[in-house]
Amino acid sequence: GNSVTQMEGPVTLSEEAFLTINCTYTATGYPSLFWYVQYPGEGLQLLLKATKADDKGSNKGFEATYRKETTSFHLEKGSVQVSDSAVYFCALIGSSYKLIFGSGTRLLVRP
Amino acid sequence: ETGVTQSPTHLIKTRGQQVTLRCSSQSGHNTVSWYQQALGQGPQFIFQYYREEENGRGNFPPRFSGLQFPNYSSELNVNALELDDSALYLCASSLDLYTIGYTFGSGTRLTVV
Repeated sequence: GNSVTQMEGPVTLSEEAFLTINCTYTATGYPSLFWYVQYPGEGLQLLLKATKADDKGSNKGFEATYRKETTSFHLEKGSVQVSDSAVYFCALIGSSYKLIFGSGTRLLVRP
Repeated sequence: ETGVTQSPTHLIKTRGQQVTLRCSSQSGHNTVSWYQQALGQGPQFIFQYYREEENGRGNFPPRFSGLQFPNYSSELNVNALELDDSALYLCASSLDLYTIGYTFGSGTRLTVV
């Protein structure tokens, strides 16, 4: 079945550092890929998405490129801020139209 | 345009009791999905409703059931609560079944004691 694997956290960075959170997936066909962010005590917010191979999703300085050859969708940001501290979830939608999430990666950014 | 609203935000129940969680979908959205997020884990798909019909179910026992109403709001019912049912329950709505843009509510935090 479809699944998503993301790097375990927590990831601890200093402000203005470069961020990479790895995400790989297993799916039949051509899934759409997503990154969601969850701030403490809140629900999920869509951060970015990509619907086909080689698409790059971007939002608020975050980027991720849909790499079919490596089945990956790594999240990157060039300069993180303290306000980026949250839990980040990689997810996919396949032919069943249900979201399948990874286990989440907690990011802590220190001033 | 309002987003997805869930109620209540928190509740505490005793093992063996029943609970109903409610979700108002975003205006114009006819598809609602429910997810269970245990502490420290990613959300797990429970089921989805499209135009008042169940359209897919995850690996959850029959004591998890749901409804979608003509106004596309939805309920999640859990019978015979177990301690492991303690989790954040998230509702997400989308414009229709084939539109892959989901809006999530803030969730209901259920604690079973």
